[in-house]
Amino acid sequence: SQQGEEDPQALSIQEGENATMNCSYKTSINNLQWYRQNSGRGLVHLILIRSNEREKHSGRLRVTLDTSKKSSSLLITASRAADTASYFCVPSSIIQGAQKLVFGQGTRLTINP
Amino acid sequence: EPEVTQTPSHQVTQMGQEVILRCVPISNHLYFYWYRQILGQKVEFLVSFYNNEISEKSEIFDDQFSVERPDGSNFTLKIRSTKLEDSAMYFCASQGLGNTIYFGEGSWLTVV
Repeated sequence: SQQGEEDPQALSIQEGENATMNCSYKTSINNLQWYRQNSGRGLVHLILIRSNEREKHSGRLRVTLDTSKKSSSLLITASRAADTASYFCVPSSIIQGAQKLVFGQGTRLTINP
Repeated sequence: EPEVTQTPSHQVTQMGQEVILRCVPISNHLYFYWYRQILGQKVEFLVSFYNNEISEKSEIFDDQFSVERPDGSNFTLKIRSTKLEDSAMYFCASQGLGNTIYFGEGSWLTVV
């Protein structure tokens, strides 16, 4: 199992702006999952991107994956106050079966009204 | 959308008492997990469970901890004799045939 390293540690933007968060990891992966955690709440699954995919969209979210650089990014467009949360990237090398996810510190995103 | 549900949402217990945290994973899921998050710290893996047995556990998951799937729908985490340092948010999670892992809202445990 390996941990993703999110960057920046904290990001503060104005409502309506786009937010980009980056993730790096060390060894080859099968997939990478992005999660959101509002303060004191549970982990909400956002997107899973597989190693053979380069980009994936879900609503206002866009995730990219560059396996040659061992990096991923999460873009939130037209940010809203409700997007204020911590965001985590979690890589996994498991193809099938149980996965031990290792969480990093995340990126703490603050959307200012 | 199906979700993982956890009870209780909050529990306060005396040190040394036994605690059982309950989870109802998503129906038809195969893999079940417990994670915990001490206030202000990272989310940490505790244990994974498949086919009615533990498939992997962390160093945190010592003899004071146990998991059980008593009736095919519930998945429980038991802490036999709680310590102050067990105070944390405990998350249950489940996974189906794919790789996506879904987490519950958590059970906040305070040991006093």
